[in-house]
Amino acid sequence: SQTIHQWPATLVQPVGSPLSLECTVEGTSNPNLYWYRQAAGRGLQLLFYSVGIGQISSEVPQNLSASRPQDRQFILSSKKLLLSDSGFYLCAWSLGLQRGYTFGSGTRLTVV
Amino acid sequence: GQQLNQSPQSMFIQEGEDVSMNCTSSSIFNTWLWYKQDPGEGPVLLIALYKAGELTSNGRLTAQFGITRKDSFLNISASIPSDVGIYFCAGRGFGNEKLTFGTGTRLTIIP
Repeated sequence: SQTIHQWPATLVQPVGSPLSLECTVEGTSNPNLYWYRQAAGRGLQLLFYSVGIGQISSEVPQNLSASRPQDRQFILSSKKLLLSDSGFYLCAWSLGLQRGYTFGSGTRLTVV
Repeated sequence: GQQLNQSPQSMFIQEGEDVSMNCTSSSIFNTWLWYKQDPGEGPVLLIALYKAGELTSNGRLTAQFGITRKDSFLNISASIPSDVGIYFCAGRGFGNEKLTFGTGTRLTIIP
């Protein structure tokens, strides 16, 4: 069966520090991968999505970047965090047009 | 781009009550999905709908794909404490890989 892993679960980082959040999917090949951010009590904002290795589409200009170095690995990064980068970050995967997304358990990032 | 209007934004109900929420789209969708998010967790898929007019149940949950393809609703019967959370609708248009998510409905059960 397919599983998705996100880590870390929680993270407290100072302003100006770098960020690296990792997401991996097991049990499937060539998934579409997504990074979402959710502000407290708010909706889901799509940040990046990828349909293959090295293929990244950015939805919202911001202080973040994404990379997909391997088929089932999706990384969210920042060189210098801002206070406004705080939030709940969710990774998700999907296969094909007829399927929904499966979400990871999320990373709660607090920038202080 | 596609937009989803989800209502209500929040609901305060007593245990045992029925719940109804809906989503409307500015464009036609060929897939409607309903997710539930527990506090501190990622959303989990509850029901998927793929045909206009389709009515699908999952236990006490029932969802329908609107005939116009521009709306969907979710009903929860006889609510229980574990129903608390945020419910999101999501839709996908023809030929569009990405899902569009609604803004969520926060369900709270009053003791």
